[in-house]
Amino acid sequence: QVQLVESGGGVVQPGGSLRLSCAASGFTFSSYGMHWVRQAPGKGLEWVAFIRYDGSNKYYADSVKGRFTISRDNSKNTLYLQMNSLRAEDTAVYYCAKKAVNAFDIWGQGTMVTVSS
Amino acid sequence: QSALTQPASVSGSPGQSITISCTGTSSDVGGYNYVSWYQQHPGKAPKLMIYDVSKRPSGVSNRFSGSKSGNTASLTISGLQAEDEADYYCCSYAGSSTFYVFGTGTKVTVL
Repeated sequence: QVQLVESGGGVVQPGGSLRLSCAASGFTFSSYGMHWVRQAPGKGLEWVAFIRYDGSNKYYADSVKGRFTISRDNSKNTLYLQMNSLRAEDTAVYYCAKKAVNAFDIWGQGTMVTVSS
Repeated sequence: QSALTQPASVSGSPGQSITISCTGTSSDVGGYNYVSWYQQHPGKAPKLMIYDVSKRPSGVSNRFSGSKSGNTASLTISGLQAEDEADYYCCSYAGSSTFYVFGTGTKVTVL
């Protein structure tokens, strides 16, 4: 079945780095754009980044621009989010989501990132 | 880019209909017919319920419907059921610089 599985979350100190992964299965990963969306504890959803199906274009929320990098390896059916210069306000559950026209149709279960000293 | 405005909570009795509003601006909700709605149960990932303002993905109950007027989109749940108790988020495309903006979220309670 169509599935997205995130990994790589954990506890990191302010200013530190972390790389999240999202393993896709059950669909032709290389044909679809992919997003990262995050949700701070007890808060709403926030779109973070998008990458086109072939990796040719990438877009970021202002809150992470210059610090986060989205990438993908279509040969491994995997999406990545490299997060540098992490701040306390980056603490959240990070979801990867598959692009469906102008929506997010498949979501992973999420991976928790905690930025704390 | 500010989050879209939703009521914090909406409640209804089983069998009733409720409507959740989602207010944005002409730069997002009013500018594109790309509003989507997501249902999120506690501790779970969001689930797509409506896309392109009023389209339902395969497998989503026809009790869920969407609409838009000007800068405000709406999600209506008819024949409210206990399993509909969840948080609901709207989302709109907001152009090539902002990309996507979500709503503040609405907690639906089935009385």
